[in-house]
Amino acid sequence: GNSVTQMEGPVTLSEEAFLTINCTYTATGYPSLFWYVQYPGEGLQLLLKATKADDKGSNKGFEATYRKETTSFHLEKGSVQVSDSAVYFCALSFGNEKLTFGTGTRLTIIP
Amino acid sequence: KAGVTQTPRYLIKTRGQQVTLSCSPISGHRSVSWYQQTPGQGLQFLFEYFSETQRNKGNFPGRFSGRQFSNSRSEMNVSTLELGDSALYLCASSSGSFDTQYFGPGTRLTVL
Repeated sequence: GNSVTQMEGPVTLSEEAFLTINCTYTATGYPSLFWYVQYPGEGLQLLLKATKADDKGSNKGFEATYRKETTSFHLEKGSVQVSDSAVYFCALSFGNEKLTFGTGTRLTIIP
Repeated sequence: KAGVTQTPRYLIKTRGQQVTLSCSPISGHRSVSWYQQTPGQGLQFLFEYFSETQRNKGNFPGRFSGRQFSNSRSEMNVSTLELGDSALYLCASSSGSFDTQYFGPGTRLTVL
């Protein structure tokens, strides 16, 4: 079946550091790929998405590129802020089907 | 446009009871999906409703059921609650046509 593997956390970085959270997927075919973020006590917010190979999703300084060759969708940000502290989930879906999530990566940014 | 709303935000029940959770999707969205989030199992898909019909279903026991109304609002019911049902239950809505899912804030269910 379909699956998503995320970098194990937690990840702790200093403010203004460069962030990478790795995400790889296993699927038959070419799914849509997503990054969602969950702040404490809240639901999931869509951060960015990509629907086909080589697409780059971007939002709030975060970027991720759909790499078909390596079946990856790594999340990057050039300079993190304390407000970026949250849990990040990589996910995939096919059309109208369910989202399949990774286990989540907890990110803590220290001032 | 208002986002996805879920009520109640918090619930405390005891084993053996039943519970109903409610979800109101974004206006114009016809698809509602439900997910369970626990520290041990992560985010797991429960079911999806589109135009009042269950279109997809995850691997949960029959104690978990849902329905959708003509205004696209959805309810989820869990009967004979078990301790392991303690979780954050998230609802997501989409237009239903290969569209992104948008999540509500969730209902935190605690079973004692």
